[in-house]
Amino acid sequence: GQNIDQPTEMTATEGAIVQINCTYQTSGFNGLFWYQQHAGEAPTFLSYNVLDGLEEKGRFSSFLSRSKGYSYLLLKELQMKDSASYLCAVRDGDYKLSFGAGTTVTVRA
Amino acid sequence: DTGVSQDPRHKITKRGQNVTFRCDPISEHNRLYWYRQTLGQGPEFLTYFQNEAQLEKSRLLSDRFSAERPKGSFSTLEIQRTEQGDSAMYLCASSFMGQGYEQYFGPGTRLTVT
Repeated sequence: GQNIDQPTEMTATEGAIVQINCTYQTSGFNGLFWYQQHAGEAPTFLSYNVLDGLEEKGRFSSFLSRSKGYSYLLLKELQMKDSASYLCAVRDGDYKLSFGAGTTVTVRA
Repeated sequence: DTGVSQDPRHKITKRGQNVTFRCDPISEHNRLYWYRQTLGQGPEFLTYFQNEAQLEKSRLLSDRFSAERPKGSFSTLEIQRTEQGDSAMYLCASSFMGQGYEQYFGPGTRLTVT
């Protein structure tokens, strides 16, 4: 089976940095995805890692260590609109994603 | 590119009734997926189509669930004899075929079974 763990909740102040960790134990590995989901809305794609290392996209960065089964999403210069759930998902084959339960990030003024 | 669309956005039904949801993927995408999401959880995979062929069904998809994708375009998900446990958000996603392509999600259909 697939086991993907991430913290349930995190709170941070506007302008700060928050790091959301994700650990996974899956039957296979063919990429790790991070999605953002605002309440009542569809998940939207943030980042994709298939090789070890850091991928940077503006205020968001994602890191992967395949040997450790570990990834993190780094959100910099937090804005109020970043309050959302952040979903870590592993693709273990050609197409299917297995998601973690999500981390709810609350940004406070 | 108008994104993935789903219809209806909300559905309230009584236990035992049948419901059908529709998903229109991004037109160039040949892969289509259905997921189910309950409150406080991430999406759970239900089924996958490559063009018109349904290539995988999750064990979560009981015999009461059926999905189709005629002509490899839009898809429908039908739930027969709904149960209260079927209450959830049903998400559709689509993508290109290939390793680096992300899945684009629709807004979902929220089903409430009373």
